[in-house]
Amino acid sequence: SYVLTQSPSVSVAPGKTARITCGGNNIATKTVKWYQQKPGLAPVLVVYDDDDRPSGIPDRFSGSSSGNTATLTISRVEAGDEADYYCQVFDTSTNQPNYVFGTGTKVTVL
Amino acid sequence: QMQLQESGPGLLRPSETLSLNCTVSGGSINKRYWSWVRQPPGKGLEWLGYVFSDGRTRYSPSLKSRVTLSIDTSKQQFSLKLTSVTAADTAVYFCARLAVTTGSWFDPWGQGTLVTVSS
Repeated sequence: SYVLTQSPSVSVAPGKTARITCGGNNIATKTVKWYQQKPGLAPVLVVYDDDDRPSGIPDRFSGSSSGNTATLTISRVEAGDEADYYCQVFDTSTNQPNYVFGTGTKVTVL
Repeated sequence: QMQLQESGPGLLRPSETLSLNCTVSGGSINKRYWSWVRQPPGKGLEWLGYVFSDGRTRYSPSLKSRVTLSIDTSKQQFSLKLTSVTAADTAVYFCARLAVTTGSWFDPWGQGTLVTVSS
């Protein structure tokens, strides 16, 4: 089955840039989605189709993908960005298509 | 603004069947895909399956032997059944719309409901 691996945690100072990576075999051939989840709440979609944002999501959130790694970049980090972030793809590499989530990254704002 | 709300029992005994409903408001349930995702305490997200408004379904390969999704468009509701639960099925269960266009993503989500399996 397809596996998406994320680093467990990232720490960043306010105003700086956070980069959250998501590793998967040839992930650049898939469209990657990113979700933000704050404690006790449901996930919220922040990036879809690699680098599109739903309405209401600031342009400080951007996505990119190359080779085996996708990246969510949060520019000018704010205290409110502290959350867990999950990547997600739709894997069709087997005869049993599956929606796969990454292991999650906790972003801490210092 | 579309909203989803899960409902169902919060405590089950091992070997029982988990049954949850998700009610959709603020938009039509028709011609759309609907999904369930769960999250064990302190862990990551796991997709369980989806149901289309015409009743077509697709399930996670790892759970397909125990999962059944259904939909009642007249009630704006879709449902999850998971049989033979164990402690490993303890999780927050979220329902979500699965948007299928150029890609596919989950948005919006319900607030989630905690289901605990314990004897």
